[in-house]
Amino acid sequence: QKEVEQDPGPLSVPEGAIVSLNCTYSNSAFQYFMWYRQYSRKGPELLMYTYSSGNKEDGRFTAQVDKSSKYISLFIRDSQPSDSATYLCAMSAGNYGQNFVFGPGTRLSVLP
Amino acid sequence: SQTIHQWPATLVQPVGSPLSLECTVEGTSNPNLYWYRQAAGRGLQLLFYSVGIGQISSEVPQNLSASRPQDWQFILSSKKLLLSDSGFYLCAWSFRDEQYFGPGTRLTVT
Repeated sequence: QKEVEQDPGPLSVPEGAIVSLNCTYSNSAFQYFMWYRQYSRKGPELLMYTYSSGNKEDGRFTAQVDKSSKYISLFIRDSQPSDSATYLCAMSAGNYGQNFVFGPGTRLSVLP
Repeated sequence: SQTIHQWPATLVQPVGSPLSLECTVEGTSNPNLYWYRQAAGRGLQLLFYSVGIGQISSEVPQNLSASRPQDWQFILSSKKLLLSDSGFYLCAWSFRDEQYFGPGTRLTVT
């Protein structure tokens, strides 16, 4: 079993839809959880960072962490064509992030 | 604010040629630094990370090496490139448990 698994996609949705992106992990030592957005031919951009279980909201984005189920999600409300990108989940066990583990990414297309 | 730079942005090199990619970070001191490779359609592969000057940990055995001559500078090198070295190379720095990436270098080995 891979340490981090992510819905493979690709995912196509109409503009305005609610998008749900998901990752599961196997290592219960992970404490810090991140979502990155990566546009084509660009470096990943940190979108959301969470530490504890629960929800964290930032504008149209909500990150959800369920440590008991080892499951994290990113929700995008009122999706826009500019949200079209690859989304990577990442996690770390701490120790100042010497070891970040990334999911393979989900490619999202939001169609106008 | 912190800024991370990488150059060159793109590079086309023949098999067997040397490689030097540079990464610099501004606005922070003693960051952890990382080199990743991202092959087309695949995830991020951690190559090296550094917790300080001259301190390099290698995650994957290969023909690549890394050096950190200054606190703010991280260099990825190879003496002889292989076709399999083609990919998108990303430098990153971390603050506590948040990691930030540079713009990347796209390397094509021909």
